[in-house]
Amino acid sequence: GQQVMQIPQYQHVQEGEDFTTYCNSSTTLSNIQWYKQRPGGHPVFLIQLVKSGEVKKQKRLTFQFGEAKKNSSLHITATQTTDVGTYFCAGYSGGGADGLTFGKGTHLIIQP
Amino acid sequence: EPEVTQTPSHQVTQMGQEVILRCVPISNHLYFYWYRQILGQKVEFLVSFYNNEISEKSEIFDDQFSVERPDGSNFTLKIRSTKLEDSAMYFCASNRDTTKNIQYFGAGTRLSVL
Repeated sequence: GQQVMQIPQYQHVQEGEDFTTYCNSSTTLSNIQWYKQRPGGHPVFLIQLVKSGEVKKQKRLTFQFGEAKKNSSLHITATQTTDVGTYFCAGYSGGGADGLTFGKGTHLIIQP
Repeated sequence: EPEVTQTPSHQVTQMGQEVILRCVPISNHLYFYWYRQILGQKVEFLVSFYNNEISEKSEIFDDQFSVERPDGSNFTLKIRSTKLEDSAMYFCASNRDTTKNIQYFGAGTRLSVL
């Protein structure tokens, strides 16, 4: 079945440094979504990427979807303590009410 | 802003007991999902539900699991005879449009099987 790999598993950064997490699907995706989960919380939708090569920005966050629609990345510029959490990518293959296939997530730990 | 609500927030049960986890999806959404997340691990898809029937289920969703939409608002997950390994966070999600399939998650129910 479809697999979504995400790296790194953990990332320690100093506050103010940049952060990037990478996601790779074993199959071509209809779209990819990114979620943020705070410690003890639930996944919160951040953004969806649909088009090949798409790039979207939300303030300090930049999301990219690869040309082949199999990989994606999330980059945070100048991290802040509020960015702490686990960032998951979730792939959707389309074709109906399919569930999302989540990556294992990247735990972002920020040292002040 | 509309949200998915789940009850209870924490359920403790003895191994072998039946549990029912409840969810109220966002009111104009048509597609409903259950996911689980074992502590420290990734979110795993269990089942999707549309038009009063299961659309898709994963290998995890075996005969011990069932889902139901008993009325116009609730969406439930039943585990017939809980096992220790069923201990996890269970998230309900819903969406309005499978073309985009943006799923909104509830706060989850933490199930602890003793």
